[in-house]
Amino acid sequence: GDSVTQMEGPVTLSEEAFLTINCTYTATGYPSLFWYVQYPGEGLQLLLKATKADDKGSNKGFEATYRKETTSFHLEKGSVQVSDSAVYFCALSQQGAQKLVFGQGTRLTINP
Amino acid sequence: DAGITQSPRHKVTETGTPVTLRCHQTENHRYMYWYRQDPGHGLRLIHYSYGVKDTDKGEVSDGYSVSRSKTEDFLLTLESATSSQTSVYFCAISEADRGSGEQYFGPGTRLTVT
Repeated sequence: GDSVTQMEGPVTLSEEAFLTINCTYTATGYPSLFWYVQYPGEGLQLLLKATKADDKGSNKGFEATYRKETTSFHLEKGSVQVSDSAVYFCALSQQGAQKLVFGQGTRLTINP
Repeated sequence: DAGITQSPRHKVTETGTPVTLRCHQTENHRYMYWYRQDPGHGLRLIHYSYGVKDTDKGEVSDGYSVSRSKTEDFLLTLESATSSQTSVYFCAISEADRGSGEQYFGPGTRLTVT
């Protein structure tokens, strides 16, 4: 079945550092790909998405590119802030499917 | 933000008692979901609904039942709560068959079973 693998956390960075959180997937066909963010004590929020190969999703300075050839959707940000501290989830959805497949989540902590 | 509310937000209950959690949406989305989130397990799907009175099981449905009598409300019931059901429960909504499959999540309910 379909699956999503994220880099294990926790990840700790200093403010203004460059961020990469790796995400790879196993799926048939051409799923849509998502990154969600969960701040402490809150629900998951959709951060960005991409629906076809080579699409780049972006939001709040975060970017991820749908790479079909490497089955990857890595999350990047050029300069992180303390307010980016959260848990990040990579997920996929097949076209017409009713369910999301989530990765395990990566906890990110940014120190001032 | 998507219009999703969950009630209660926090609940402490005793083993063996029934518990009902409510999810309410104002978006008129067809699909609604219940997840639980536990350390080391990420998010796991309990049940979902694809319309009024249409529901199906997820990967961890044992000990849970659901009902959807109106488009806007999706109820999760623990018939006889156990300590293993201590968790944070999230509701989500989606227009899975019209959009690209993204789901929108509620704020969560923290349930403690003592």
